[in-house]
Amino acid sequence: GQQLNQSPQSMFIQEGEDVSMNCTSSSIFNTWLWYKQDPGEGPVLLIALYKAGELTSNGRLTAQFGITRKDSFLNISASIPSDVGIYFCAGRRGYSGGGADGLTFGKGTHLIIQP
Amino acid sequence: DGGITQSPKYLFRKEGQNVTLSCEQNLNHDAMYWYRQDPGQGLRLIYYSQIVNDFQKGDIAEGYSVSREKKESFPLTVTSAQKNPTAFYLCASSTGGVLSGNTIYFGEGSWLTVV
Repeated sequence: GQQLNQSPQSMFIQEGEDVSMNCTSSSIFNTWLWYKQDPGEGPVLLIALYKAGELTSNGRLTAQFGITRKDSFLNISASIPSDVGIYFCAGRRGYSGGGADGLTFGKGTHLIIQP
Repeated sequence: DGGITQSPKYLFRKEGQNVTLSCEQNLNHDAMYWYRQDPGQGLRLIYYSQIVNDFQKGDIAEGYSVSREKKESFPLTVTSAQKNPTAFYLCASSTGGVLSGNTIYFGEGSWLTVV
């Protein structure tokens, strides 16, 4: 299936810095999901967005569903060492498109935090 | 605890062998999925099942087979026809099909290596 354009591919930041990553597509999505994956583990759902323009927070994480429905971003404030991992976006087009399961995944953003 | 359990965590396969990865969920979810993850890549759908005794091919089903005899179980067999099986395999489930608007949750993954 088609993949989303997720950027950046990797980030090297200092502890305490804010982080921003995004996903874009040429297609419209009905839902955006953000997952975090620790090395050797399965992805864990962080935030789900269901409505264009929606801004949702989960602790230090904030994600937004773009107004155009073709993009989404994830921000992490005041990063800490346990934020290290790979962050994936996933978009769902709904009934009329997408992969067989309706989901399209980005390739991930690898976050590395230097103490 | 409720969740999705994959086993084994690590599996080694000899050339020409079939191997089966187990996935069990006690979340009472109707839909189950198998994804494959390669380094630096997003998730690719292998097979999915919306209901017991029914399953559908995903984007990369060749060389794989599944069964769904029970709601809570969705084993994946990697056959000798799969020429490049070394990867991280993720099982997932959702309350209904993803196309119906339900978020999917992942197991902890299984590493398969060909020796």
